[in-house]
Amino acid sequence: NAGVTQTPKFQVLKTGQSMTLQCAQDMNHEYMSWYRQDPGMGLRLIHYSVGAGITDQGEVPNGYNVSRSTTEDFPLRLLSAAPSQTSVYFCASSYSISVADEQYFGPGTRLTVT
Amino acid sequence: DAKTTQPPSMDCAEGRAANLPCNHSTISGNEYVYWYRQIHSQGPQYIIHGLKNNETNEMASLIITEDRKSSTLILPHATLRDTAVYYCIVRVPNYGGSQGNLIFGKGTKLSVKP
Repeated sequence: NAGVTQTPKFQVLKTGQSMTLQCAQDMNHEYMSWYRQDPGMGLRLIHYSVGAGITDQGEVPNGYNVSRSTTEDFPLRLLSAAPSQTSVYFCASSYSISVADEQYFGPGTRLTVT
Repeated sequence: DAKTTQPPSMDCAEGRAANLPCNHSTISGNEYVYWYRQIHSQGPQYIIHGLKNNETNEMASLIITEDRKSSTLILPHATLRDTAVYYCIVRVPNYGGSQGNLIFGKGTKLSVKP
């Protein structure tokens, strides 16, 4: 299994540009989520999904959209990038959202918005 | 906000046991204690979790006090590769209507020294 994969690894955007961060998992996990991590901070939840066709907002959802058309993929869209969105983005997945299930994280996408 | 309190940093000598404390005085009866670590800004890595009883796996041991208000993660023989930020997380049963989302604090930066 490749686990959780994220692309791209690095990205530089100009203010106002849009882009999609890709996340995929091959473990047939129902639950997937997106976090952002700013320097010296812990991870903050952006959006999550408990299954195909179901998404919900986390702690910091503004400026981001998500969709879940398949079990494997959970892309994160930035509609109009802002410098405040400069961060490292991590995708995670687990078998379910049960508190007993461990979450697996991808390697991250480092985004800079100028 | 994170429901846990951890020291910001700790040092440990290589080969010795690393004992990382965590306070979670407001933990509820059905909330699990999870530990993750993050090495060099990689994606967080699951270590261990527990509810009431002490737990042990190939990576670490988790000791939870009888009143469940605190816990200790033990790395029995720390190596240089264990240098990382360690996050203690109480898995919140209900967060914005969801269940099971991880809420990260700032963690403890463990430095293992030769």
